[in-house]
Amino acid sequence: GPKVLQIPSHQIIDMGQMVTLNCDPVSNHLYFYWYKQILGQQMEFLVNFYNGKVMEKSKLFKDQFSVERPDGSYFTLKIQPTALEDSAVYFCASSGTVNNQAPLFGEGTRLSVL
Amino acid sequence: QQKVQQSPESLSVPEGGMASLNCTSSDRNFQYFWWYRQHSGEGPKALMSIFSDGDKKEGRFTAHLNKASLHVSLHIRDSQPSDSALYFCAADYYAQGLTFGLGTRVSVFP
Repeated sequence: GPKVLQIPSHQIIDMGQMVTLNCDPVSNHLYFYWYKQILGQQMEFLVNFYNGKVMEKSKLFKDQFSVERPDGSYFTLKIQPTALEDSAVYFCASSGTVNNQAPLFGEGTRLSVL
Repeated sequence: QQKVQQSPESLSVPEGGMASLNCTSSDRNFQYFWWYRQHSGEGPKALMSIFSDGDKKEGRFTAHLNKASLHVSLHIRDSQPSDSALYFCAADYYAQGLTFGLGTRVSVFP
């Protein structure tokens, strides 16, 4: 079936560096999301994205965060600069429409900020 | 306060038994509830959605929604070891992205 692919699966960086997390969503999906999960606990909404624009973002989506999907390629989450509290697993999800279609999640990128 | 509250935090069920999970929204303005399941080291996978009052059954899983009380439940019949996972209730509050509860960790023991 369709899959959301996330690259890389694990990223280790030093605090203060920039990191870009990549997501390859399902090809005909229109809505894209990033979620953050710490220690296998709550999934926390960061941002959703449609038609080249951020639609909604949470308080967790700090000024250091940005998202884009240039020319229909990867949907990316960039963090610049990173902080220790950014260590988490970041999940990308995509859906075809907002109503009654479950966002399909990738396997996550584990980000470790040292 | 969590907008979506789940209980219990964890649950142990004998193989073949019934697991019952609960979820309550503090916001009446939802479209749908989703139940997701997440196995360790994987992304969450959608089990089912519900938006009408009453029961919805899919295989061994039955969801129940009571809009008046903003309560939704998930019942897993004939629990299997493969059902051991973290279960999330998620509410769709009109194009704001899904809001997840804290999850219920289910362990099925032989």
